[in-house]
Amino acid sequence: GQSLEQPSEVTAVEGAIVQINCTYQTSGFYGLSWYQQHDGGAPTFLSYNALDGLEETGRFSSFLSRSDSYGYLLLQELQMKDSASYFCAASIRGGYNKLIFGAGTRLAVHP
Amino acid sequence: EPEVTQTPSHQVTQMGQEVILRCVPISNHLYFYWYRQILGQKVEFLVSFYNNEISEKSEIFDDQFSVERPDGSNFTLKIRSTKLEDSAMYFCASEGGTGDRNEQFFGPGTRLTVL
Repeated sequence: GQSLEQPSEVTAVEGAIVQINCTYQTSGFYGLSWYQQHDGGAPTFLSYNALDGLEETGRFSSFLSRSDSYGYLLLQELQMKDSASYFCAASIRGGYNKLIFGAGTRLAVHP
Repeated sequence: EPEVTQTPSHQVTQMGQEVILRCVPISNHLYFYWYRQILGQKVEFLVSFYNNEISEKSEIFDDQFSVERPDGSNFTLKIRSTKLEDSAMYFCASEGGTGDRNEQFFGPGTRLTVL
């Protein structure tokens, strides 16, 4: 089957750096995306990696290693508003980029 | 900024009734999706739609489900005979299909409650 594993919860303080890991087992893997979801809200796109390496977008960076079936999201200079759930999602070709989501990591940022 | 819209925001229905969830994707997008999220769980793919036909559907998307793009702007999900286990948040998403970002834009969702 298709599965993505990520930690269920992470806690950090304001200003800190946190890394959320994701390992995947999928067929037809095309790339790894990260989405943020606040309680009651819709998933919001953060980043996407199709190739190995690091992609940086402001305070957020994402990394992919296709050989290790592994990626991570790095959040720097954490702010209270970053408290949310973060989902890794595999893009699967053959389905016009349908997304297979992990179970999500709930990030709590404390003062 | 363009956005995906969905109506209604909340739908309550009796088991066995038909519901239609509506979505207006971003106007120049080419690919459309429905996902669902049971409370506290992960987002699950239901169906993808391109060029006026289903391109892929999941095991969840059985004969009770159908999608339609009736007028070139709306994108609907119909559940013919709802079951208790259909209670979930249903998200519509659209994607431009150009570039390499593979960014899907999600609507705010419709919370479906089946009693």
